[in-house]
Amino acid sequence: QVQLVESGGGVVQPGRSLRLSCAASGFTFNNFAIHWVRQAPGKGLEWLTLISHDEDTKYYADSAKGRFTISRDNSKNTVYLQMNSLRSEDTAVYYCAKEGVRGVLIPNYFDNWGQGTLVTVSS
Amino acid sequence: EIVLTQSPAALSLSPGEGATLSCRASQSISHYLAWYQQKPGQAPRLLIYDASNRAAGVPARFSGSGSGTDFTLTISSLEPEDFAVYYCQQRSTFGQGTRLEIK
Repeated sequence: QVQLVESGGGVVQPGRSLRLSCAASGFTFNNFAIHWVRQAPGKGLEWLTLISHDEDTKYYADSAKGRFTISRDNSKNTVYLQMNSLRSEDTAVYYCAKEGVRGVLIPNYFDNWGQGTLVTVSS
Repeated sequence: EIVLTQSPAALSLSPGEGATLSCRASQSISHYLAWYQQKPGQAPRLLIYDASNRAAGVPARFSGSGSGTDFTLTISSLEPEDFAVYYCQQRSTFGQGTRLEIK
């Protein structure tokens, strides 16, 4: 079965960096885009970024542009989210999610999600 | 940028009753809409994609309809496990959610 497991969350001071990982299994990893979606405490879902199946295409929400970088290693079935210059408003649970449509370069729908990893930005 | 507006914000119903949740897009999005269910402390779960297709393993009491700007998620007879928050989504945009509560 499809499994996505996030790691790398924790408490970090404002202005510092953190790298999240998303390890995938149970499907042909290099056929699907992967997304990161976050959820601030008590709030709704916010799409952040996607990376295409072949790493060639990356899109970012305005809130992530310039500070967050998505990458993937298809040999390790893993996607990464490098987050720099973190702010208190970045405090959230970060989910990775599998794109539901094979080979597409834009978000369609997210058919499998990880359990999430909590990032807390606080001094 | 497309805005998705969900209504109502909260809905109080009893098990066995039917539920109708609405999602309205600020411009036409054809049939490209998905619905998710999220329970406290859990990740979202895909229920419906492309407006009316049930995802794998989703019970038949969940159905989606609509096209263009107006979409509906219907739960025909609420089970105790259906009380949760429901989100609609189109491309990179999510609605603000509808909280379905036990009356």
